[in-house]
Amino acid sequence: QKEVEQNSGPLSVPEGAIASLNCTYSDRGSQSFFWYRQYSGKSPELIMFIYSNGDKEDGRFTAQLNKASQYVSLLIRDSQPSDSATYLCAVNSPSGGGADGLTFGKGTHLIIQP
Amino acid sequence: EAEVAQSPRYKITEKSQAVAFWCDPISGHATLYWYRQILGQGPELLVQFQDESVVDDSQLPKDRFSAERLKGVDSTLKIQPAELGDSAMYLCASSQTAGGTETQYFGPGTRLLVL
Repeated sequence: QKEVEQNSGPLSVPEGAIASLNCTYSDRGSQSFFWYRQYSGKSPELIMFIYSNGDKEDGRFTAQLNKASQYVSLLIRDSQPSDSATYLCAVNSPSGGGADGLTFGKGTHLIIQP
Repeated sequence: EAEVAQSPRYKITEKSQAVAFWCDPISGHATLYWYRQILGQGPELLVQFQDESVVDDSQLPKDRFSAERLKGVDSTLKIQPAELGDSAMYLCASSQTAGGTETQYFGPGTRLLVL
């Protein structure tokens, strides 16, 4: 059974600091990894995706992937109060016939304190 | 910017009633997904379509849930009869195609409350 684990938090970070969000996954055949942000009562919004080992940077966000350790992380630099949300880690582990629905973690609730 | 459309945004119903949700994916997106998100949990896949064909419905409770995408464009998810435990956010997502690396874009969701 495919599993994605995240610390549910809440994770409290001072404004301007770096927020570090972590995720582990169980399926070694997983191919792609996504971070979604979800505000309360809203739908998930894509932040970043990563396919290859290493770091990927996009503005204030950096995704890190280590397939050997089955570990994905998201760093948010210069955290702003508007970054306060739940961050969902999602993993794509395609199976036969084209099935590639995402497996999500429960999400980490991030609070940026002004 | 193209978006996934869903309706209704909110639905309140009584248990044992039938409910239906509609989704229109981003134009040109061949793959459509329905997810269910219970409060405090991550979304869970219910069904995946590639064009008009079901690719994966292994997690769909088929005794009460049905889904269709007759012309390979918009889709309807139905619950009959609704139960109290069906209260959740129902999310539709689409991607250009399937294959493991395509990004899935989510619609605004339908929040269902079963009384």
